[in-house]
Amino acid sequence: DTGVSQNPRHKITKRGQNVTFRCDPISEHNRLYWYRQTLGQGPEFLTYFQNEAQLEKSRLLSDRFSAERPKGSFSTLEIQRTEQGDSAMYLCASSLVRQGAGEQYFGPGTRLTVT
Amino acid sequence: GEDVEQSLFLSVREGDSSVINCTYTDSSSTYLYWYKQEPGAGLQLLTYIFSNMDMKQDQRLTVLLNKKDKHLSLRIADTQTGDSAIYFCAETSGGGADGLTFGKGTHLIIQP
Repeated sequence: DTGVSQNPRHKITKRGQNVTFRCDPISEHNRLYWYRQTLGQGPEFLTYFQNEAQLEKSRLLSDRFSAERPKGSFSTLEIQRTEQGDSAMYLCASSLVRQGAGEQYFGPGTRLTVT
Repeated sequence: GEDVEQSLFLSVREGDSSVINCTYTDSSSTYLYWYKQEPGAGLQLLTYIFSNMDMKQDQRLTVLLNKKDKHLSLRIADTQTGDSAIYFCAETSGGGADGLTFGKGTHLIIQP
């Protein structure tokens, strides 16, 4: 069990550029979540998938954001036309939901800086 | 919407017990969690409690839940320097499978 991995760990981009992040969940975990964390705040929920289906999207997820999980394994989060306000840590988590708490395990995050 | 509140800082002496408090507003919360975040690292799940429990103990960690007052606490016994981190309280009302709502985190500072 190698845990949740995220790539890249850091991304610096210029305003207006598109960026894409990748998340590899713990193998056999059927749920995958994306969160955003800004300095001094707790993580904020963005969206989650059960297998390949995107089941919920927060109102924080503007039209410039899109997430996919095409084969029910890894997921990508794309931000188009980045803005300085998008600068944050983007966290991915996964869980195995059968019964019980469905504990979410987090990856190390991708830190995005928009200049 | 849901809200989770925590004190921003807690300072304790090494060897003492730390008690980190959290209040939440969503009366339909089903699971409540404690996560630990060290500088530059992701979130580490410490423990969780189901809403029909009032206490859970796991080694040095004790979680107390007062559902009537919507108050959750995390007690760390014999606090060590390695416990220095930000501790986040989180809740979900979706049976444990939906997105979590987090507090802003409590910075635990350990004094020698």
